[in-house]
Amino acid sequence: KNQVEQSPQSLIILEGKNCTLQCNYTVSPFSNLRWYKQDTGRGPVSLTIMTFSENTKSNGRYTATLDADTKQSSLHITASQLSDSASYICVVSATGGNNRLAFGKGNQVVVIP
Amino acid sequence: DGGITQSPKYLFRKEGQNVTLSCEQNLNHDAMYWYRQDPGQGLRLIYYSQIVNDFQKGDIAEGYSVSREKKESFPLTVTSAQKNPTAFYLCASSAYFWRELNTGELFFGEGSRLTVL
Repeated sequence: KNQVEQSPQSLIILEGKNCTLQCNYTVSPFSNLRWYKQDTGRGPVSLTIMTFSENTKSNGRYTATLDADTKQSSLHITASQLSDSASYICVVSATGGNNRLAFGKGNQVVVIP
Repeated sequence: DGGITQSPKYLFRKEGQNVTLSCEQNLNHDAMYWYRQDPGQGLRLIYYSQIVNDFQKGDIAEGYSVSREKKESFPLTVTSAQKNPTAFYLCASSAYFWRELNTGELFFGEGSRLTVL
């Protein structure tokens, strides 16, 4: 079964500090990987997409990396702000006829002043 | 502005009652989806629709029903047969079903929180 595992489950960081979220997947054959940000009580919003040939992609203070060989991705948040408090969800797509996206459980980030 | 509108935002239901969650999109997207989100779990697919008048069961369709009579609307009915309906429900859409499955490019609504009393 295709699975996506995220760590840490939750973390608390001070405003202005950096943090890194991890996503390990077993989805095969791999198509692409997206990171979504979900504010509490809201719908997820896409942050970035990583395809097989991409190693790094940035979106403002968010930088995603992908190692397709080890099937790992990370999301780095630089100079965190209070508005970064949210759940970050890793979503992996497989090629072929699976008809499903594989969702991680999310990394819950709380930024405190 | 284009987007997906879910209503109501909050809903309370007594056991044994059916409830219908509304999902409307003005993005002219062909495909629409319903997901369920529970604390500590990833999103789980309930139903999806690739085009009007067509829909398919997802991974957890039991106790739910949908219709797709119009392109912009994809309502979800939570029936009394659903054993544990208390959850956060998310509706999503994508321009094309197969292409977006390969890219994961889904646009989500703001969600509906259903609580069974």
